[in-house]
Amino acid sequence: GENVEQHPSTLSVQEGDSAVIKCTYSDSASNYFPWYKQELGKGPQLIIDIRSNVGEKKDQRIAVTLNKTAKHFSLHITETQPEDSAVYFCAARAAGNKLTFGGGTRVLVKP
Amino acid sequence: ETGVTQTPRHLVMGMTNKKSLKCEQHLGHNAMYWYKQSAKKPLELMFVYNFKEQTENNSVPSRFSPECPNSSHLFLHLHTLQPEDSALYLCASSQLGTGANYGYTFGSGTRLTVV
Repeated sequence: GENVEQHPSTLSVQEGDSAVIKCTYSDSASNYFPWYKQELGKGPQLIIDIRSNVGEKKDQRIAVTLNKTAKHFSLHITETQPEDSAVYFCAARAAGNKLTFGGGTRVLVKP
Repeated sequence: ETGVTQTPRHLVMGMTNKKSLKCEQHLGHNAMYWYKQSAKKPLELMFVYNFKEQTENNSVPSRFSPECPNSSHLFLHLHTLQPEDSALYLCASSQLGTGANYGYTFGSGTRLTVV
């Protein structure tokens, strides 16, 4: 089955700096890659996703890039703000409707 | 109500108790999921239901019993749990089908403590 690795497990950045989280996947048939943000006391919320026919997607301060050949994808957050502090999960979908999640990255934005 | 609603938000139960977790989705989705979230395994899939039919049981112990009476409701019945079952239990839903958005919508979870 699909296996998703996520790095780093924790990330501390200064407010205004950029943050980058990287994920690798194992199944070359995977074709959908969402990113979720989980704040304290809440469930994960979808923040951006990308399909395998696209190399990059942006939404304001967040962007995701996909390298199908290398089987890795990344989340980029620019001009970080304290409200970006949360746990972020990447995921990959291969067959069926099941998503396989990475282990999560705890992001702390220091004011 | 919108999105995915889970009740109760918090639950403390003894090892001999029987309790149930409830999930309701108001999105018209046709697939629902139970996940267990703990420090050891951040997002661990437990069960998958497509069109009310269970399509996956990820080797979950029988002390967890899911029920999906219709595509909007999902239950997780709990009995004779162990302290290591203490975790956040998350419900999610999604839409199946060609061209559908594959993203999951999660509820806020039930924080379960087994004493």
